Amino acid sequence: GEDVEQSLFLSVREGDSSVINCTYTDSSSTYLYWYKQEPGAGLQLLTYIFSNMDMKQDQRLTVLLNKKDKHLSLRIADTQTGDSAIYFCATPTGGFKTIFGAGTRLFVKA
Amino acid sequence: DAMVIQNPRYQVTQFGKPVTLSCSQTLNHNVMYWYQQKSSQAPKLLFHYYDKDFNNEADTPDNFQSRRPNTSFCFLDIRSPGLGDAAMYLCATSRESNRALNEQYFGPGTRLTVT
Repeated sequence: GEDVEQSLFLSVREGDSSVINCTYTDSSSTYLYWYKQEPGAGLQLLTYIFSNMDMKQDQRLTVLLNKKDKHLSLRIADTQTGDSAIYFCATPTGGFKTIFGAGTRLFVKA
Repeated sequence: DAMVIQNPRYQVTQFGKPVTLSCSQTLNHNVMYWYQQKSSQAPKLLFHYYDKDFNNEADTPDNFQSRRPNTSFCFLDIRSPGLGDAAMYLCATSRESNRALNEQYFGPGTRLTVT
């Protein structure tokens, strides 16, 4: 079945760039998503990219999509302590169903 | 603020004792979802409602049931909780009118402990 894989932990220093990577198996996805979960809160859609795009930039966030390798990445420039959270990669798989990765926990050291 | 609310945030139940988790939403979304998330694992979809139309995932155990009495509320019933059912349960909503993007709005989750 469809699968989304991502590493579980990433630690960076404040001010550095963070890069969170994800691989997926469903090549028919129209969109690919990054959700963010802050402590004690629900998942929230952070950004998304159309499958016909290679890159999307939104302020400090850059999403890169390599469809050939089925690889998605999220780059956070000038990472701040407030960016500490769990980041979930996700793809729709038909109907209302979305497949999520296990989430990458980002630690930002001051 | 429009939101998805889950009660309680923490629930402790005994092995085999039925338990009900609640979700309500003020977004007026017509699709509601229940996910199970275990530690360091991906949220796993249990079922979803599209209006009153119930859609069960093929691998969701019969022990898990759901009710949606109206647009705003959805309940997850675990008939006989086992130790393996201890997890975070996430409720989410989405709008059918935004089906292409299908952005989901999540509640903060209910952490279930089974003793």
